Amino acid sequence: AQSVTQPDIHITVSEGASLELRCNYSYGATPYLFWYVQSPGQGLQLLLKYFSGDTLVQGIKGFEAEFKRSQSSFNLRKPSVHWSDAAEYFCAVGGGSNYKLTFGKGTLLTVNP
Amino acid sequence: DAGVIQSPRHEVTEMGQEVTLRCKPISGHDYLFWYRQTMMRGLELLIYFNNNVPIDDSGMPEDRFSAKMPNASFSTLKIQPSEPRDSAVYFCASSLGWTDYEQYFGPGTRLTVT
Repeated sequence: AQSVTQPDIHITVSEGASLELRCNYSYGATPYLFWYVQSPGQGLQLLLKYFSGDTLVQGIKGFEAEFKRSQSSFNLRKPSVHWSDAAEYFCAVGGGSNYKLTFGKGTLLTVNP
Repeated sequence: DAGVIQSPRHEVTEMGQEVTLRCKPISGHDYLFWYRQTMMRGLELLIYFNNNVPIDDSGMPEDRFSAKMPNASFSTLKIQPSEPRDSAVYFCASSLGWTDYEQYFGPGTRLTVT
């Protein structure tokens, strides 16, 4: 069975500081990995995705994530956080023939001015 | 494309009433997913369809919940009778399928059952 763990429920950073959100997954084959962001009262928006190839993937809004197979991780990073990045972030894993995605519980990001 | 469309955006109803949530997926997408989001349980997959056929409904909480997809451009999620514990945000998402697993989410319907 596939699963996703986001160890941090809530993270607070100062504006301009760097950010890393952790994601660990369990999946029996080559995973497809995603990061979504949800602003208050909104649906989920895709930030970036990994299917294959280069393990460092770039996304929208200056985010990037690195796939590390040996660690079963897909951590999200941003070098300098903006106040508008305050939101909830979800990691998800999928693959195979069922097209389902399994989401983590999410990490709530607060940005201090 | 307008993206995934859900209606209504907000629904307030009394316990025991029937509630119908609606979703229009992105044109050309073969997969449609219904999720429920609560503080306690996070984002839960309720059911999903492929080419209008339900594939996996193991996440549907109980018989009070039902979902249909009569055609490629419309799906409903019905709760009858509704209960206060059904209060949540319900999301619809669609996916192209084939080699693309990305899901596109609608804005959600916030349901409050009093």
